[in-house]
Amino acid sequence: AQRVTQPEKLLSVFKGAPVELKCNYSYSGSPELFWYVQYSRQRLQLLLRHISRESIKGFTADLNKGETSFHLKKPFAQEEDSAMYYCALKAGNTGKLIFGQGTTLQVKP
Amino acid sequence: DGGITQSPKYLFRKEGQNVTLSCEQNLNHDAMYWYRQDPGQGLRLIYYSQIVNDFQKGDIAEGYSVSREKKESFPLTVTSAQKNPTAFYLCASSIFSGTGGNEQFFGPGTRLTVL
Repeated sequence: AQRVTQPEKLLSVFKGAPVELKCNYSYSGSPELFWYVQYSRQRLQLLLRHISRESIKGFTADLNKGETSFHLKKPFAQEEDSAMYYCALKAGNTGKLIFGQGTTLQVKP
Repeated sequence: DGGITQSPKYLFRKEGQNVTLSCEQNLNHDAMYWYRQDPGQGLRLIYYSQIVNDFQKGDIAEGYSVSREKKESFPLTVTSAQKNPTAFYLCASSIFSGTGGNEQFFGPGTRLTVL
């Protein structure tokens, strides 16, 4: 079965602390994974995708096929990082995405 | 602000009524999607369309219907058969790519409340 799991509903950290938002997936083929972010009163938007191997706003995510994980990391959290984060898996060749349940990141001053 | 638009922003419906949510895009994207967003459940796919005049059911299609008569438009009808329609509905579009990582662009959403 194709599934994306984000085990934490809420992650609360202080400004300057490291952040790791967990994402695990279940997929029999070669996965394509994404992180989407929804800031308050803004649209859901793409943060980064694993095939680009990029760092956006200080965030990185590495695909670990052995552990079937795609955790999102940032070494020093900022207050403006507070948002809802969704991990998503592209399912086959249809283009559709399977989303995790989402994790709310709260960065306290 | 072009891109993808949804209307209305808020919608109230009485039980037993059908309602239609609008989704329009001017990005020339082939693929369009409808999701339902509920607290603690993430986004769940209702319907998607990869090309005009064609669409497929997603994971929670029961009680919903769609049409794709134009490339720019993908309206969603929430019928009276949908048991729990109160939710936030998101529309998205993308360049259809079966093999490449395709970014989905999202609309601002419609909040539907059944009274």
